[in-house]
Amino acid sequence: NAGVMQNPRHLVRRRGQEARLRCSPMKGHSHVYWYRQLPEEGLKFMVYLQKENIIDESGMPKERFSAEFPKEGPSILRIQQVVRGDSAAYFCASSPAGQAYGYTFGSGTRLTVV
Amino acid sequence: DAKTTQPPSMDCAEGRAANLPCNHSTISGNEYVYWYRQIHSQGPQYIIHGLKNNETNEMASLIITEDRKSSTLILPHATLRDTAVYYCIVRVQIQGAQKLVFGQGTRLTINP
Repeated sequence: NAGVMQNPRHLVRRRGQEARLRCSPMKGHSHVYWYRQLPEEGLKFMVYLQKENIIDESGMPKERFSAEFPKEGPSILRIQQVVRGDSAAYFCASSPAGQAYGYTFGSGTRLTVV
Repeated sequence: DAKTTQPPSMDCAEGRAANLPCNHSTISGNEYVYWYRQIHSQGPQYIIHGLKNNETNEMASLIITEDRKSSTLILPHATLRDTAVYYCIVRVQIQGAQKLVFGQGTRLTINP
């Protein structure tokens, strides 16, 4: 029973390139959440998705960032034209529907912009 | 914004019980309290959650006060591997969407 799978674990991009982060939720989980953690800081909510729908993107920067969770395949967090300030750990979590369930987090993708 | 307040740091001796407090005075009647921890820079790890009653699992116990305005996470026999940042979270509902909003947590250090 695989947990939440994120890849790649480490990603290095030059300024101006695009970064694509992937998240496969646990089997049976229909809700996906993305969080960002800057060095020495706490986790900040970015976006909450269900299959083919963005439910809450209140934590997403207005520009360059986008997320999707297609009917088939993993959820993708896309960062266009990366800048050094985008360097962070990006964590994905998934959950079943319903408030009584907590989230299961993946191991994260460490993005370094050089 | 997080709906919980926690002390920024705590120390505990190895083998003793670690008691981590959390205040959530604005919690609503149907909101659960969740506890997670983050060891070093790993992904957050679920520990336990509860609504009204005290809960216990293989990792910890959760004691929720009768008025639900505060709770305590208890690690009964702390080990060095329990050194981590512990987050107490109340699920936030905004415009019909629920999400976990992390605060700063408590940095727990277990000393040998």
